Amino acid sequence: EVQLVESGGALVQPGGSLRLSCAASGFTFVSYDMSWVRQAPGKGLEWVSAISHNGGTTYADSVQGRFTISRDNSKYTLYLQMSSLRAEDTAIYYCVKVPGGHWYFDLWGRGTLVTVSS
Amino acid sequence: EIVMTQSPATLSVSPGERATLSCRASQSVSSNLAWYQQKPGQAPRLLIYGAFTRASGIPARFSGSGSGTEFALTISSLQSEDFAVYYCQHFTNWPLTFGGGTKVEIK
Repeated sequence: EVQLVESGGALVQPGGSLRLSCAASGFTFVSYDMSWVRQAPGKGLEWVSAISHNGGTTYADSVQGRFTISRDNSKYTLYLQMSSLRAEDTAIYYCVKVPGGHWYFDLWGRGTLVTVSS
Repeated sequence: EIVMTQSPATLSVSPGERATLSCRASQSVSSNLAWYQQKPGQAPRLLIYGAFTRASGIPARFSGSGSGTEFALTISSLQSEDFAVYYCQHFTNWPLTFGGGTKVEIK
């Protein structure tokens, strides 16, 4: 089955750190670009970060310098290392797959909730 | 940054009726536009990419149109399972941005 499964979401204090993981299955992970999209409670979708199949990365201004996206192709896993977390980072974080060539998202995980609060 | 604006915020439609959702880009995105559907408690699902190409498994009652800065998603005859929030997203350049969403509710 083609799927993405996120994990690692938790309650964390402001200023803290957290690492999200996304396990991919059912497709050749190494061949595809990947990304993270988040959704604050009751709000719309916000693109966070992207990584190409060969490791090139880009970030939204809101997380630049605080978040790091990476991938381990041998483990079919995508990561998001988050540091200096703020209340406004509270959201469901979705791992998403890019079908190839163009940066829209054809496969979404169920998401993992990150809550930043004291 | 390209700003994506969706209208209306909420659309009240009766089952079986036609619904047209709008998405406007602050500058041209050519045909680099995708539409997603999100139901409560679920992840979004890709409906349309390249402004008018239906994703795999998407019913023919969903259609996309437009190019440049003006786009539309039309649902020709609303079914009960179509009541949801719909988002547009451009993929012309960085950063990728989404519209604020249109909620399609039962009239």
